[in-house]
Amino acid sequence: SAVISQKPSRDICQRGTSLTIQCQVDSQVTMMFWYRQQPGQSLTLIATANQGSEATYESGFVIDKFPISRPNLTFSTLTVSNMSPEDSSIYLCSVEDRASKETQYFGPGTRLLVL
Amino acid sequence: AQSVTQLDSHVSVSEGTPVLLRCNYSSSYSPSLFWYVQHPNKGLQLLLKYTSAATLVKGINGFEAEFKKSETSFHLTKPSAHMSDAAEYFCVVSDTRNFNKFYFGSGTKLNVKP
Repeated sequence: SAVISQKPSRDICQRGTSLTIQCQVDSQVTMMFWYRQQPGQSLTLIATANQGSEATYESGFVIDKFPISRPNLTFSTLTVSNMSPEDSSIYLCSVEDRASKETQYFGPGTRLLVL
Repeated sequence: AQSVTQLDSHVSVSEGTPVLLRCNYSSSYSPSLFWYVQHPNKGLQLLLKYTSAATLVKGINGFEAEFKKSETSFHLTKPSAHMSDAAEYFCVVSDTRNFNKFYFGSGTKLNVKP
């Protein structure tokens, strides 16, 4: 398995501002994923981040709102732009298992509260 | 399209009794299926996975799940619940033909009574 860290672990932000969440993994991986977990809800995939190419966004998520960077094989960022209270969620990154590509391991998540 | 349905949003059992968390899936082709657990204020932990090998899959902490193609089910079981099993459990299907994207079920909260 991979060891994944996220920064910040939690934050409280004002509406209209932006927050960048970092995801660091301890080994090189091709595929990284970003998810949102709204309060009391399940996880929804935001986008898939493949190193060296543009992120692929799921229906309902757009690059202007959730820009993603993937500068190398161990790091990615997700920015939540022009935040509103509806963006209050837990944001999680995950990585594919190097040996078993269909398996994903998850970071601890970033708890975001937008006032 | 891939999807999973978790049939129970809440399950409550007494400590020492069996646990059954139900999951049905929909997939256009042979799926990869997973169960993850999320303890309060903690990250997601992989319990077990099915990836077209043995249909009865054993995971961590005494959990197991059986893949039944005829019933399109992947139910999670444990013979004897422990207080530490109280958490939320997610059934997940992977789209193996599309970057192994994960599609999560709605989750089942397991309560274990003393």
